Amino acid sequence: GAGVSQSPSNKVTEKGKDVELRCDPISGHTALYWYRQSLGQGLEFLIYFQGNSAPDKSGLPSDRFSAERTGGSVSTLTIQRTQQEDSAVYLCASSEQGAGGYTFGSGTRLTVV
Amino acid sequence: GQQVMQIPQYQHVQEGEDFTTYCNSSTTLSNIQWYKQRPGGHPVFLIQLVKSGEVKKQKRLTFQFGEAKKNSSLHITATQTTDVGTYFCAGRSNFGNEKLTFGTGTRLTIIP
Repeated sequence: GAGVSQSPSNKVTEKGKDVELRCDPISGHTALYWYRQSLGQGLEFLIYFQGNSAPDKSGLPSDRFSAERTGGSVSTLTIQRTQQEDSAVYLCASSEQGAGGYTFGSGTRLTVV
Repeated sequence: GQQVMQIPQYQHVQEGEDFTTYCNSSTTLSNIQWYKQRPGGHPVFLIQLVKSGEVKKQKRLTFQFGEAKKNSSLHITATQTTDVGTYFCAGRSNFGNEKLTFGTGTRLTIIP
């Protein structure tokens, strides 16, 4: 597609439930990244996929967080047993390998109640 | 791990005044990028600097990369209301993969 697409745009969930966030990167971009941004804060790195290489999971805050990327394209970020501190905007970005800047999606605003 | 700090955290300027944000990394960077995030929006890529001492301009915006490749600055001349937003620098380490470490950001507000 023309841009990075994320769904849903908003998600309200009850504490303890699992959620799945989806990211559809720009076609041809081999690198895909997940960041999260709490209200008024900076961007916290979560995970990075590059082609067929093993993902860099060093930013995942706990084992409740996982992500996969199928067929080198669409990615899903899963949060199990959500907690209130998981509330944030989850941003996905993609880029061409070794070139230039990221293109971000509009994000998923997750609210855990 | 790598840390990227920005100052100031907030800046309020009168429309027409200049604005500068400074970015400092704890480690040497292979390159640095700048992003702008409008209120309620997502970060948008502005520019990438690669060479030591590099200076690039985009209209009223001037970007610099330090000689030691550990710091950078963004200067906006004669601010306009459209410049409102948070400006983030983001750096890639010399020996890491392609992931960016984002700075803490500087939120710019303009007083008309």
